[in-house]
Amino acid sequence: ETGVTQSPTHLIKTRGQQVTLRCSSQSGHNTVSWYQQALGQGPQFIFQYYREEENGRGNFPPRFSGLQFPNYSSELNVNALELDDSALYLCASSSQGIPDGAQYFGPGTRLLVL
Amino acid sequence: AQTVTQSQPEMSVQEAETVTLSCTYDTSENNYYLFWYKQPPSRQMILVIRQEAYKQQNATENRFSVNFQKAAKSFSLKISDSQLGDTAMYFCAFMKFFSGTYKYIFGTGTRLKVLA
Repeated sequence: ETGVTQSPTHLIKTRGQQVTLRCSSQSGHNTVSWYQQALGQGPQFIFQYYREEENGRGNFPPRFSGLQFPNYSSELNVNALELDDSALYLCASSSQGIPDGAQYFGPGTRLLVL
Repeated sequence: AQTVTQSQPEMSVQEAETVTLSCTYDTSENNYYLFWYKQPPSRQMILVIRQEAYKQQNATENRFSVNFQKAAKSFSLKISDSQLGDTAMYFCAFMKFFSGTYKYIFGTGTRLKVLA
C-alpha cells in the first residue's frame, strides 16, 4: 500500500505567476482534499474532489482551482499568485466508502511567493 | 458554523510523564467525528486517534487516549509515558459527513515539546 505523495516539495514563484501542485492519493482512496497551512496555523480547507468533480469548497477565491484524474490523483492550480499565497499546501486522501472519513496526508508542498 | 478551539499554543512535558492537550468545539450537529493529528517537525501530518460522536466509549490507541465529553463539546488528548518522538504540533479536527461531502475543520494547534 503506497501513501500519499506530493510534488514538488518546494517551489518559489513571483507575484502574478501561476502554479500547479500535484498529489497522488493513497492506494484504495477515491477522494482528495487540499489544504493551505500558513506558518503557525492549522490547515484551512480549500476544496475536495471525488469522482473527478469538486465536492465541497472552503473560503478560497476562484483563482484556486483543481482537477482529479481517473486514477484519483489530483492537481491544485493557483492563478495570479499573491504574496499571501505563501504557505504549505497539503493534500489528503480518503475513501468515501469509509464513514469516519479519516484522511491521510501527504508531506506537503512549500510555496514561496516573492 | 462549526469551530474548533485549542487554547494551549505551547506545552512541554518531561519524558515518561503524562500530558493532556485540550480541544473544544462548537457545533449544532449530533453526528460527527473528531480527530487528533500530529505534525512532527518533518511536517507530514499523521492521524493519531479518532472518535465517533455517537460512541460514548473514549477511543484509545496505545499511549494515546481521549476524554470525549459530548455535552461539554470537549475532546482532550492524553499522552501517557511521553517520548521524545512525541514532540510535534498537535491538531484537533472536527469532521462531518454531509450530502456526500466531508467537511473538516482544524484547530490552530498545540506545540508539544517533550524534554529529556
